[in-house]
Amino acid sequence: NAGVTQTPKFRILKIGQSMTLQCTQDMNHNYMYWYRQDPGMGLKLIYYSVGAGITDKGEVPNGYNVSRSTTEDFPLRLELAAPSQTSVYFCASSSPGTQYFGPGTRLLVL
Amino acid sequence: DQQVKQNSPSLSVQEGRISILNCDYTNSMFDYFLWYKKYPAEGPTFLISISSIKDKNEDGRFTVFLNKSAKHLSLHIVPSQPGDSAVYFCAASGNFGNEKLTFGTGTRLTIIP
Repeated sequence: NAGVTQTPKFRILKIGQSMTLQCTQDMNHNYMYWYRQDPGMGLKLIYYSVGAGITDKGEVPNGYNVSRSTTEDFPLRLELAAPSQTSVYFCASSSPGTQYFGPGTRLLVL
Repeated sequence: DQQVKQNSPSLSVQEGRISILNCDYTNSMFDYFLWYKKYPAEGPTFLISISSIKDKNEDGRFTVFLNKSAKHLSLHIVPSQPGDSAVYFCAASGNFGNEKLTFGTGTRLTIIP
């Protein structure tokens, strides 16, 4: 049982480049989330989705976009990478009462 | 505005003793609380939760206590083991866990052999 998977594990981007962080879950959960974690900080919610075709902004959505065309996939798009987006990104999916996290993507923007 | 606060960034405890991690919240609408454990280079993993209709929940060595009047919860680990060394995040939700989570900043627990 794979749970929540994320790719890539690590990426270095130049300022202004774009990329997509992939997230897939195989638990048939409707709810999915993207968080970022900066050093010494908690997890900040970027975007979330309550089902295919439905997305909404979280606490820190600026500079990011998401889509949810299927139940399984919830990609996060960075259009114009900035140094402030250097962080570790976690995807999660949930059943009522708990969230299951992927292993994270470490992104460095130089 | 930090709605979930973990005021101790780090905690060191001797192996075999009790570890107590604390968490405070400010939002009265929160009625479901969770603890997550995180090892380096891994995603957080769910540890234990508690609903506001209870004041205590136990799972093996882990017990979570909830004091609603003080808006405070704590995680007790007894006895502490070296494998418990990790960062622990407190999280809160409304609608009994059916809403998005708000996380604290985490407490790094180090168990000293």
